[in-house]
Amino acid sequence: QVQMVQSGPELKTPGASVKVSCKASGYTFNTYGISWVRQAPGQGLEWMGWISAYNDKTNYAQNIQGRVTMTTDTSTSTAYMELRSLTSDDTAVYYCARVAYGGDSAADYWGQGTQVTVSS
Amino acid sequence: DTQMTQSPSSLSASVGDRVTITCRASQGISNYLAWYQQKPGKVPKLLIYAASTLQSGVPSRFSGSGSGTDFTLTISSLQPEDVATYYCQKYNSAPQTFGQGTKVDIK
Repeated sequence: QVQMVQSGPELKTPGASVKVSCKASGYTFNTYGISWVRQAPGQGLEWMGWISAYNDKTNYAQNIQGRVTMTTDTSTSTAYMELRSLTSDDTAVYYCARVAYGGDSAADYWGQGTQVTVSS
Repeated sequence: DTQMTQSPSSLSASVGDRVTITCRASQGISNYLAWYQQKPGKVPKLLIYAASTLQSGVPSRFSGSGSGTDFTLTISSLQPEDVATYYCQKYNSAPQTFGQGTKVDIK
């Protein structure tokens, strides 16, 4: 069965960086992509970007471009999302989700979410 | 960028009622639209993709329709376990924007 298991909660100070991992199992990792979605407290879902585990092609949301890097490690079937120069506005639950390798599909399997809190 | 607008923002209905949520795209997206259900404190769950295709395991009381700019999610007979926030998402191209969500509860 497909599973996406994310790393644990993070507490960061403003200006720091965070790197969230997402370990996939139950399918051939490099034939799909991974989207990252975040949800601030009491708010809706925000698409952050996508990476293809097939060819490492990425596409990032404009509002975080320059601060975000998404990568994959096919040897461990793990995707990573690093966000730099954190502010309190980055406090959110961060989700990874499986998508088609070209990115143009709905997200069918989701990780459990990783709480990232940015506070001084 | 294409904006996704859902209506209503919230609704309250009785068990057994037919519930309809709409999602409008500011530009045509063909049928590249998904619907997700998120129960309080839980992970989003894919309900429908390609505007009208039911994801495996999703109850048949859920259905989707539409193409181009106007889309609809229908719950044919609302059940207590359907209390959740529902989101549409476009995925034809980046950014893969979500609608703002529609909160559904029981009257």
